[in-house]
Amino acid sequence: RKEVEQDPGPFNVPEGATVAFNCTYSNSASQSFFWYRQDCRKEPKLLMSVYSSGNEDGRFTAQLNRASQYISLLIRDSKLSDSATYLCVVMIYNQGGKLIFGQGTELSVKP
Amino acid sequence: DAGVIQSPRHEVTEMGQEVTLRCKPISGHDYLFWYRQTMMRGLELLIYFNNNVPIDDSGMPEDRFSAKMPNASFSTLKIQPSEPRDSAVYFCASSPSRVGEAFFGQGTRLTVV
Repeated sequence: RKEVEQDPGPFNVPEGATVAFNCTYSNSASQSFFWYRQDCRKEPKLLMSVYSSGNEDGRFTAQLNRASQYISLLIRDSKLSDSATYLCVVMIYNQGGKLIFGQGTELSVKP
Repeated sequence: DAGVIQSPRHEVTEMGQEVTLRCKPISGHDYLFWYRQTMMRGLELLIYFNNNVPIDDSGMPEDRFSAKMPNASFSTLKIQPSEPRDSAVYFCASSPSRVGEAFFGQGTRLTVV
């Protein structure tokens, strides 16, 4: 079983749609959580950190459920520029700060 | 700061040749990660360093792969001998702390023919 699992997609949605991505992790020692974004043939970049109480950044909302070992990302009012691959990331402290990426979920927003 | 710098950006080599990938992390960052990305396997963590010391190399696929970090401003990933299945994009990333954001270089696209 992979340490971080995501639905690979692709998710094809129209502009203005709301889309949700899910991610599960297997290591209960995971301590920090992030969503990264990767554009085609580019490097991954941090989209947002995920806090236990949930957090929002504009149209983006991240949620964490430690009991279920589950992370989510909600994108509201999607834009063409949101088309990218979204990567779920966990950091495991008791392994010295190991940063593990999921395989990513591809999003394509159409006009 | 120029960010994480990787070289070369592209490398095409013949099977059996030695390949050396280079990375300059962001100054002041304590953590350095090497990842490999392919369509089939996504982003795989190969090895990471804390204060120049290798912490976990369990992701290094075979003895053909080795990584060093001789000082805080430089790291190398070496493949010897290279094989076609090593073809991938190799990313280096650095982070200022265990809870900090990881900043990625632009990657090295390696093709082994």
